[in-house]
Amino acid sequence: GAVVSQHPSRVICKSGTSVKIECRSLDFQATTMFWYRQFPKKSLMLMATSNEGSKATYEQGVEKDKFLINHASLTLSTLTVTSAHPEDSSFYICSARDSRGTRSLLDEQFFGPGTRLTVL
Amino acid sequence: GDSVTQMEGPVTLSEEAFLTINCTYTATGYPSLFWYVQYPGEGLQLLLKATKADDKGSNKGFEATYRKETTSFHLEKGSVQVSDSAVYFCARGSARQLTFGSGTQLTVLP
Repeated sequence: GAVVSQHPSRVICKSGTSVKIECRSLDFQATTMFWYRQFPKKSLMLMATSNEGSKATYEQGVEKDKFLINHASLTLSTLTVTSAHPEDSSFYICSARDSRGTRSLLDEQFFGPGTRLTVL
Repeated sequence: GDSVTQMEGPVTLSEEAFLTINCTYTATGYPSLFWYVQYPGEGLQLLLKATKADDKGSNKGFEATYRKETTSFHLEKGSVQVSDSAVYFCARGSARQLTFGSGTQLTVLP
């Protein structure tokens, strides 16, 4: 099946530093990737939609200057949490959609394993 | 807008019990419907999917039928195992995004 990886799986950083999380589609091309945030015992909250070669589309209430998204290629999107604070601690999950829908529905998303961010 | 309403948990069952987790969705357009499962500390895994009315998705003993008349996609399993303990998310797909239900925590006791 389609595989999406995330790196790192866990990261602990000091308040005020920036953290970059990578999301890769390993065996398919993804013009669109999605970034979610999940709070404990809560559903996934869509933060932004990342489009290859163009600016990301952010959901209402998500600070685009704080959560920088770059989708430089058909297999890689990055999320950078800038000047992280303890309230940014969360589980961040990315997903990717198969651009051509050759092995999946056009609206199906494949999820990465998530990144646990802890800001001290 | 698009929405998914999912049965609130937590749900606790004994091993071999029958499971139903209810899910209803808004009927605009012709969405695909999904069930995802999330094991502790992990990301989401697709459990099953259905693309049109009356389709039945199935996997690992779980089933869900796309019911257009009741706008439902209830998840069922005839005999749960301890290893099925996880959080289950119902989702509705569109060209733009997936819309998730709130998730249902399932705990299966031996």
